[in-house]
Amino acid sequence: GEDVEQSLFLSVREGDSSVINCTYTDSSSTYLYWYKQEPGAGLQLLTYIFSNMDMKQDQRLTVLLNKKDKHLSLRIADTQTGDSAIYFCAETPLSSNTGKLIFGQGTTLQVKP
Amino acid sequence: EAGVTQFPSHSVIEKGQTVTLRCDPISGHDNLYWYRRVMGKEIKFLLHFVKESKQDESGMPNNRFLAERTGGTYSTLKVQPAELEDSGVYFCASSPFGAKNIQYFGAGTRLSVL
Repeated sequence: GEDVEQSLFLSVREGDSSVINCTYTDSSSTYLYWYKQEPGAGLQLLTYIFSNMDMKQDQRLTVLLNKKDKHLSLRIADTQTGDSAIYFCAETPLSSNTGKLIFGQGTTLQVKP
Repeated sequence: EAGVTQFPSHSVIEKGQTVTLRCDPISGHDNLYWYRRVMGKEIKFLLHFVKESKQDESGMPNNRFLAERTGGTYSTLKVQPAELEDSGVYFCASSPFGAKNIQYFGAGTRLSVL
């Protein structure tokens, strides 16, 4: 089956690193994604990783993929108050030829000044 | 270039009424998706269009929901009659042909059924 799980809430202090975790069940996932939703806004694609990679870095963002454990994480270095948002983990299962996304429930990141 | 736009941003209706949501994808994007997030839960796929054709409507909850994309441009999602459990945020996304995995999302329509 296709299922994506995330913790619901994370609170950090400005300047610290944030690590948001996600687990998924579909071992055939092709792509895994992190989306960010700020209040009143749509979903913004932050980054994505292909399933044959284990790490991707983009400025302050680092994505780690442990395919054996079906675990995906997003690390935000030097977290800023502007990073406060809901972060959604998502996957595209191989079984889907339409590219539909399977999302987790979202992790609310609160950054305290 | 304009992004994905959705209208209205918020709709409040009574149970039993009809509501139509609209999505304008990014110009030239063949793929158009509808998703829904209910009560702070996960965002769930509803259906996928390629141009005007429905490719996958496996996520549509029941026959009270009707999606159309006449002419392969904008899409509408009609709920008739609306029930309380239809409340949530409806997102539309689009992607270009050959790049289904890069989906651009609209801000969503918040539907409240009272």
